[in-house]
Amino acid sequence: SQELEQSPQSLIVQEGKNLTINCTSSKTLYGLYWYKQKYGEGLIFLMMLQKGGEEKSHEKITAKLDEKKQQSSLHITASQPSHAGIYLCGAPRDQLIWGAGTKLIIKP
Amino acid sequence: DVKVTQSSRYLVKRTGEKVFLECVQDMDHENMFWYRQDPGLGLRLIYFSYDVKMKEKGDIPEGYSVSREKKERFSLILESASTNQTSMYLCASNGGAPWDNEQFFGPGTRLTVL
Repeated sequence: SQELEQSPQSLIVQEGKNLTINCTSSKTLYGLYWYKQKYGEGLIFLMMLQKGGEEKSHEKITAKLDEKKQQSSLHITASQPSHAGIYLCGAPRDQLIWGAGTKLIIKP
Repeated sequence: DVKVTQSSRYLVKRTGEKVFLECVQDMDHENMFWYRQDPGLGLRLIYFSYDVKMKEKGDIPEGYSVSREKKERFSLILESASTNQTSMYLCASNGGAPWDNEQFFGPGTRLTVL
């Protein structure tokens, strides 16, 4: 099983609706990256969280690291077609470990 | 803007061929990485390099080798390609502590081995 579990694996959302993606670790997270990948392309950095309770926003995307530092959620408000893609979380350990990704499809 | 480029977006090779994947970055980064990405498995580290001529094995180095003769260039070599190496290969680079800083990714090379 993955050290970092992402849920859901895939998500289909009507344009304009809100959505949440989760990234859960069985161990304490000392940092958590969120990246976005358009289909068949490289990864684009969204944000990094380091402190328990920390919350960051980038345009309509907000990510939070919970107080216990074992879960992060990524929330998209008023989704748009440009939000479609695969969202990956990554956590630094002795190297960077990755979740399997959440595939997001936006229905017009 | 940081730019990481990869030599090919798509590549089709035959079993047993020697395959070279090239990655170049233009930001003078010390660290460079090769990952492969497969559905349901996320990204897995093949090798990384923290300096010219220096390399470290990642999780899945078997069947691969790397070369870093110049700071800006990191090559991944499949000595004898096999069908189970069909995958998306992603190169990345960053500066400073390799796991504590944002990695900048190339567009990826989708390799098919027939």
